Amino acid sequence: QKEVEQNSGPLSVPEGAIASLNCTYSDRVSQSFFWYRQYSGKSPELIMSIYSNGDKEDGRFTAQLNKASQYVSLLIRDSQPSDSATYLCAVMGNYGGSQGNLIFGKGTKLSVKP
Amino acid sequence: NAGVTQTPKFQVLKTGQSMTLQCAQDMNHNSMYWYRQDPGMGLRLIYYSASEGTTDKGEVPNGYNVSRLNKREFSLRLESAAPSQTSVYFCASKLEGGYMYSPLHFGNGTRLTVT
Repeated sequence: QKEVEQNSGPLSVPEGAIASLNCTYSDRVSQSFFWYRQYSGKSPELIMSIYSNGDKEDGRFTAQLNKASQYVSLLIRDSQPSDSATYLCAVMGNYGGSQGNLIFGKGTKLSVKP
Repeated sequence: NAGVTQTPKFQVLKTGQSMTLQCAQDMNHNSMYWYRQDPGMGLRLIYYSASEGTTDKGEVPNGYNVSRLNKREFSLRLESAAPSQTSVYFCASKLEGGYMYSPLHFGNGTRLTVT
């Protein structure tokens, strides 16, 4: 079973700081990586996708991918209390029953303190 | 554009009862999925349908059955509910199963309690 690992947190940062969320994955040939945000009692919503090594920026969010190290991260700049949520890392599977399916980490709970 | 619609939003069942969770998407997606989410366990795939007319088991299929009724609809059935099936269930869809640029879109979830 291919795995996606995240620190469960909670990660607490002060308002205005940079929040750094990390994810490692076991499938060396994975090509597609996604970050979802999930507010308490709500469904996951896609905030970032990344497919190539390096950084991808979208507003206050930056996704970073290092395929050699099998590591993907999400940086949130100028963190706001409204960013308080659980962040799910997802990796697209490549083999057998997981081909084309997203494998999710257990999520990191972020708390941004005013 | 409603996206992915799940019904019901909440359900309480007694052990041994059966029920069907309904899911429909209006995005013309080919692939549909059922996940369950439990505290500390993350999202786990129950069943999926890569295209109309096909269904396959995911990570935790025991105790469940599915039907891909047409391209829009994908239902999940619990034939004899057990307390271990108490969970939040999410339906999701995406354009193409194996297409690497295709993210999942989730419904709002069904919170199921089995007593």
